[in-house]
Amino acid sequence: DVKVTQSSRYLVKRTGEKVFLECVQDMDHENMFWYRQDPGLGLRLIYFSYDVKMKEKGDIPEGYSVSREKKERFSLILESASTNQTSMYLCASSLTGLTGELFFGEGSRLTVL
Amino acid sequence: SQQGEEDPQALSIQEGENATMNCSYKTSINNLQWYRQNSGRGLVHLILIRSNEREKHSGRLRVTLDTSKKSSSLLITASRAADTASYFCATVGSRDDKIIFGKGTRLHILP
Repeated sequence: DVKVTQSSRYLVKRTGEKVFLECVQDMDHENMFWYRQDPGLGLRLIYFSYDVKMKEKGDIPEGYSVSREKKERFSLILESASTNQTSMYLCASSLTGLTGELFFGEGSRLTVL
Repeated sequence: SQQGEEDPQALSIQEGENATMNCSYKTSINNLQWYRQNSGRGLVHLILIRSNEREKHSGRLRVTLDTSKKSSSLLITASRAADTASYFCATVGSRDDKIIFGKGTRLHILP
């Protein structure tokens, strides 16, 4: 089975801190994604990557950056965390392009104080 | 927007009953997918149905797609307590290159 692992389930950070959210998948998938999930707003795509060192903006990239140095690892970076970035962050990977089945990690719940 | 919209927003049924959730969307699609999310966890893919398919089954799950009405339904038969979760439909537009999720239906199975 595909396994997508997010390094931290729960994080609490202070406003202005730099935050790294790590995601690793073990099935050699080309495509990886970062979503955030908020009550009433559903899942929104932040960034995705279809290859190593390649990245594309999603619907809400402002305030975020990403890094994909290795195929299995996709990191989400909050350069200067703000309270409105308090959310559940979900990483996903896909074998069959950007429109196929997504495999999700367990999520990282970030609280910014 | 092609975003799917689930109906109802919340549903409570007795264990053993069937649960039906609906998804409507606005533009033509390549495929439609259903996902389940247990509280505080990640999403799990359930079924993908392509625009040229009308019905798919997986265990106790049955998904239908009516492209003329731009709608899909997810039926869970003989519900169990473990089916308590949120269910999301996700659409892939025929001209788009990404998946867009609806806001979900919260299903609660009563003992």
